[in-house]
Amino acid sequence: EPEVTQTPSHQVTQMGQEVILRCVPISNHLYFYWYRQILGQKVEFLVSFYNNEISEKSEIFDDQFSVERPDGSNFTLKIRSTKLEDSAMYFCASAWTSGSYEQYFGPGTRLTVT
Amino acid sequence: AQSVAQPEDQVNVAEGNPLTVKCTYSVSGNPYLFWYVQYPNRGLQFLLKYITGDNLVKGSYGFEAEFNKSQTSFHLKKPSALVSDSALYFCAVRAASGGSYIPTFGRGTSLIVHP
Repeated sequence: EPEVTQTPSHQVTQMGQEVILRCVPISNHLYFYWYRQILGQKVEFLVSFYNNEISEKSEIFDDQFSVERPDGSNFTLKIRSTKLEDSAMYFCASAWTSGSYEQYFGPGTRLTVT
Repeated sequence: AQSVAQPEDQVNVAEGNPLTVKCTYSVSGNPYLFWYVQYPNRGLQFLLKYITGDNLVKGSYGFEAEFNKSQTSFHLKKPSALVSDSALYFCAVRAASGGSYIPTFGRGTSLIVHP
């Protein structure tokens, strides 16, 4: 069964550094998402991406964040200058449509900012 | 704004007993409702969804959920729990029409099934 993959599984970085989290969505999906989950808290939506542009974003997704689909397979989340509070599990997800269809999630990247 | 409440942080059940994981929601108009499961070191896996039609929805691994519009609930159930069902369960909701297509997730409920 096709699945969403994410790399790395764990990223440790120092405050102020840039990080890029990578995702390979399911190949025939058209909608892509990033979520984060701070330890012990709910899964929070960051951004959705369709047709090579951001379709929705949350208040969390400020100017420090950006997303890109540099080729036909990868979908990346960049944090330009990490803060301690960016430490979280980051999940990529993809979906065939934005309608009623469920999203398929990757295993996540645990980001630790020190 | 849409929201989801999972009132129990943890549910404990003995293997072979029925289990229920509770979820209530708030959304404008009709809801689309989802349950996901998260095993350790894995991403969220889709279990089942309610879009329209029969209020009792059947999903993966023997799970089912009942949509109750009057109580704005979508509780997850299974007639006979397995130790392997132990995981974190997330309920999610989004509006069927209008507004955002992005689902809102609950905080998650940890299900522990004891042998």
